[in-house]
Amino acid sequence: DTAVSQTPKYLVTQMGNDKSIKCEQNLGHDTMYWYKQDSKKFLKIMFSYNNKELIINETVPNRFSPKSPDKAHLNLHINSLELGDSAVYFCASSQDWGPKGASEAFFGQGTRLTVV
Amino acid sequence: DAKTTQPTSMDCAEGRAANLPCNHSTISGNEYVYWYRQIHSQGPQYIIHGLKNNETNEMASLIITEDRKSSTLILPHATLRDTAVYYCIVQYGQNFVFGPGTRLSVLP
Repeated sequence: DTAVSQTPKYLVTQMGNDKSIKCEQNLGHDTMYWYKQDSKKFLKIMFSYNNKELIINETVPNRFSPKSPDKAHLNLHINSLELGDSAVYFCASSQDWGPKGASEAFFGQGTRLTVV
Repeated sequence: DAKTTQPTSMDCAEGRAANLPCNHSTISGNEYVYWYRQIHSQGPQYIIHGLKNNETNEMASLIITEDRKSSTLILPHATLRDTAVYYCIVQYGQNFVFGPGTRLSVLP
């Protein structure tokens, strides 16, 4: 009954390939996110998405694209993989920002992507 | 960019209280203070959040100064499993911006 689950946990692939990472949340949350954690351990937001709005961090290359088939899923597609894309990618979800204010985010366990 | 500053690292003896400080001098009136932690190789875990008042839950206590320019996360009885990187985040809205955090080492 994992709240936010990602697959695969590990992904090793060659430069130039296209790959996807899947994320599912069973919390009924309205907003989902993708974060990248690089070798220096900095967590950087890539996207936040709900059924109303996709917010993209402007530093994210357009080779990265989020796809949401439904409210419970936000998959990350990466085209033409590069060595610098190697990192741990975390999916997260939270309830919509509402009159009660803050809402904590729940994170998945991460996908370690290695591009060779 | 993160709006907080935290010590790079701290040590705490097992069983003692761990007090993790955070400065957020530019916090605005509607921004919340959140704390998360990341245990090695795992996803970040929510700990606690607050706006103005001190907060307590089963994991920790959050003390926010009256001017809201700083806060302290208190783990009342630290255990070895509390060894992690602790992130203080100020936030309004839904895009959580993480800084480098504080690496807390709980020592036996």
